[in-house]
Amino acid sequence: NAGVTQTPKFRILKIGQSMTLQCTQDMNHNYMYWYRQDPGMGLKLIYYSVGAGITDKGEVPNGYNVSRSTTEDFPLRLELAAPSQTSVYFCASSYSLGGNEKLFFGSGTQLSVL
Amino acid sequence: AQRVTQPEKLLSVFKGAPVELKCNYSYSGSPELFWYVQYSRQRLQLLLRHISRESIKGFTADLNKGETSFHLKKPFAQEEDSAMYYCALPPFLNAGNNRKLIWGLGTSLAVNP
Repeated sequence: NAGVTQTPKFRILKIGQSMTLQCTQDMNHNYMYWYRQDPGMGLKLIYYSVGAGITDKGEVPNGYNVSRSTTEDFPLRLELAAPSQTSVYFCASSYSLGGNEKLFFGSGTQLSVL
Repeated sequence: AQRVTQPEKLLSVFKGAPVELKCNYSYSGSPELFWYVQYSRQRLQLLLRHISRESIKGFTADLNKGETSFHLKKPFAQEEDSAMYYCALPPFLNAGNNRKLIWGLGTSLAVNP
C-alpha cells in the first residue's frame, strides 16, 4: 500500500513551458486535492475532485488544469508556466466528504519556473 | 468568515522545555480541528485531531471554545519534534466551502539541543 504517490519530485521549467504533475493513490479514496505551498503562505487549494469525472476549483486555480478519469489518478497540468507558479505542490486524498476527514499527502513536487 | 490563525511563524525552544504552538479559530459551528505536521523532507501527516482526544508523540491539544483556541502542547520538547506544524479547520458545511480544510499559515518549531 503505497498511499499517495507524486511524480516528479523536482522540476525546473522555463517560462512558457508546460508540464503535468502526476498523482496516484491506491487507497480507493474518492476525494483528491492539489495544494501549493509557498513559504510563509501556508497551503492553498488549487483544485479538488470528489470522484472520477468530477473536478472543481479551489482557491487558486488560475494557470492550472486537472482531470480525473479514474479514481486513482489526479494529474495537475500547467499549460504556460510562469515564475509565480514556483512552489511546492502537494497532492492529497481522503476517504470521506465534509471536511472532517484525515488527509493523506504525497511527498510533494518542488517546481521552479525560471 | 471561518479562519484559522497561527500567530507564530517560528517558535524556538530548548530540548526538554515545554512547548505550546498556538492556534485560534473563527467558526460559526461546533468545530473539529486538526494538527498536521511536516518533518524535514517528509510529507505532511496528521498529528492529531480534536475528535479523537488522543496524545501522539507526547503532544496534546485541547479545544477551548471560550477562547476559540486549539493550542498544541508538549511538556518536554525533543529535537525530533522540530518540524512545521499546521492547524486546520473543516469548513461549516453550509458555508459554500465544502470539501476543503481551512489551514493556518503554519508554525516552524525548532528544538535546540
